[in-house]
Amino acid sequence: GAVVSQHPSRVICKSGTSVKIECRSLDFQATTMFWYRQFPKQSLMLMATSNEGSKATYEQGVEKDKFLINHASLTLSTLTVTSAHPEDSSFYICSANQGVQGRYEQYFGPGTRLTVT
Amino acid sequence: DAKTTQPPSMDCAEGRAANLPCNHSTISGNEYVYWYRQIHSQGPQYIIHGLKNNETNEMASLIITEDRKSSTLILPHATLRDTAVYYCIVRRQGGYQKVTFGTGTKLQVIP
Repeated sequence: GAVVSQHPSRVICKSGTSVKIECRSLDFQATTMFWYRQFPKQSLMLMATSNEGSKATYEQGVEKDKFLINHASLTLSTLTVTSAHPEDSSFYICSANQGVQGRYEQYFGPGTRLTVT
Repeated sequence: DAKTTQPPSMDCAEGRAANLPCNHSTISGNEYVYWYRQIHSQGPQYIIHGLKNNETNEMASLIITEDRKSSTLILPHATLRDTAVYYCIVRRQGGYQKVTFGTGTKLQVIP
């Protein structure tokens, strides 16, 4: 299957700083990528849809000015958590759809563990 | 996307078949049934998907009822590495279609 990578796998930052997380589709092109957040013992929560060459679409309740998304190429989307606070500590996961003859399978990255101190 | 209902947890003996049920009574005609699993602290892994016919791949089998209101994921010979949270999702096709997750079923494979 297709491979989606994320970098870094884990990051620790101080409160008030910004952190950038990269999501790459390694062997396919993805015009659309998705960003999720997962708190301990909870399910994945969709944050936003990242669209190559255009603005991201955010889910209700997600602050677009705090979670900046840039989808600059067909293989790379970035999520920047600005002015991070301890409550932003979470597991961030990206995904991308690969279509083959009209059938789509969604592949997920391994996740990035963010800890804000 | 249609909502799904899954039992919160299940146990299965190692080597036995694990049968994970999912109800999706409001599924639309153009929505597919997808299954993913998430092993602790990893990203979700695609398992299988289908529209109305039963499907099988190297990981699992998917049985969809004739009315499409429910389905069952079957892991034929569960191993300890199959311990994970399993998510049943219904969604339309299309690269732009987003996937929203429910609470899933925590499968514990017991030695």
